[in-house]
Amino acid sequence: EPEVTQTPSHQVTQMGQEVILRCVPISNHLYFYWYRQILGQKVEFLVSFYNNEISEKSEIFDDQFSVERPDGSNFTLKIRSTKLEDSAMYFCASSEMGRRNEQFFGPGTRLTVL
Amino acid sequence: GQQLNQSPQSMFIQEGEDVSMNCTSSSIFNTWLWYKQDPGEGPVLLIALYKAGELTSNGRLTAQFGITRKDSFLNISASIPSDVGIYFCAGQLEYDGTGKLIFGQGTTLQVKP
Repeated sequence: EPEVTQTPSHQVTQMGQEVILRCVPISNHLYFYWYRQILGQKVEFLVSFYNNEISEKSEIFDDQFSVERPDGSNFTLKIRSTKLEDSAMYFCASSEMGRRNEQFFGPGTRLTVL
Repeated sequence: GQQLNQSPQSMFIQEGEDVSMNCTSSSIFNTWLWYKQDPGEGPVLLIALYKAGELTSNGRLTAQFGITRKDSFLNISASIPSDVGIYFCAGQLEYDGTGKLIFGQGTTLQVKP
């Protein structure tokens, strides 16, 4: 069964460093998302992406964040200058045309900012 | 921001028992979804609901989209040890065409064999 994959599974970085989190959505999906989950808390929406554009972003998704679909398969989230409070699990999700709300999540990247 | 209130926060039950959890909001939703998350994993989609009053089953799981469109519940019948995990409701607000999902706080389920 097709699934969303994410790399790396765990990223440790120093405060102020840039990180890029990578995702490969399900191949026939057209809608892509990033969510984050701080340890022990609920999942929070960051950004949605369709047709090479951001559709919606939350207040968490400030100027330090950016997303890109550099080729036909990858979808990336970049944090330019990480802060301690960026430590969280970051989940990529994707959904297909006609079933946009049925979002399938990847296994996540655990980001630890020291 | 918009809130989904999910209850109970946690449950500790005996294997074989039925379980019920629910989500409520003051806002109207056009989609309700239920996810299960195991430790260190991503949420796994269990059931999606699209119409008020809709009742949908997936094996031992049954979920309903509330008539008012402001609530949903999930039932698990005859629980087994592998049902252990965190269950999240999620929804998309009425008139929101962006795909953004709002998540509840989760219900942690523990099952005693």
